[in-house]
Amino acid sequence: DAGVTQSPTHLIKTRGQQVTLRCSPKSGHDTVSWYQQALGQGPQFIFQYYEEEERQRGNFPDRFSGHQFPNYSSELNVNALLLGDSALYLCASSLLNRLAGQNEQFFGPGTRLTVL
Amino acid sequence: AQTVTQSQPEMSVQEAETVTLSCTYDTSESDYYLFWYKQPPSRQMILVIRQEAYKQQNATENRFSVNFQKAAKSFSLKISDSQLGDAAMYFCAFANSGNTPLVFGKGTRLSVIA
Repeated sequence: DAGVTQSPTHLIKTRGQQVTLRCSPKSGHDTVSWYQQALGQGPQFIFQYYEEEERQRGNFPDRFSGHQFPNYSSELNVNALLLGDSALYLCASSLLNRLAGQNEQFFGPGTRLTVL
Repeated sequence: AQTVTQSQPEMSVQEAETVTLSCTYDTSESDYYLFWYKQPPSRQMILVIRQEAYKQQNATENRFSVNFQKAAKSFSLKISDSQLGDAAMYFCAFANSGNTPLVFGKGTRLSVIA
């Protein structure tokens, strides 16, 4: 059973460019969340996708956008890259539980983005 | 907004000894979840232990246990019989019920000395 996978592993871009990061959730999971982890910091929530729609969003500008596909995989897009966007981007998948409670989020290994 | 504070940027422990990592949080909610995650150099975030706020009994997972003090909003992690493989960044995290996003602290880097 494959866990959460992310691609690419590393990425180098220049300021102003656009980037797309990809995530495949753990088998059986239907919800994908994206987090940004700056160097020396804890992860910060960007947004969450369920049923191909953005369900919740953190305090990130509109330059950050996403998409979820029918197979539950997801993309994170960042436009007009800034130096401050350099970070580890983590994807986490879970199974939405409408009966309340909190299901475990399984994390991928992340994509290290460097903006020069 | 909920906040999570880890006041120990770095900790070290001798192999086979016990270490406690501290975490405090702030929330006005009464029902929530607390987690400790481990992030080794491989970067993959791994769940170590979780605690439901409505449960008075402290969670335990093998060598890992927590001291959950709801009134004090404190959630510390105790690692017993420390092993070299325990060396990693440890993050305390909070979530409301209902599949809300995780709120992380800044982490504690744990070193294990042979």
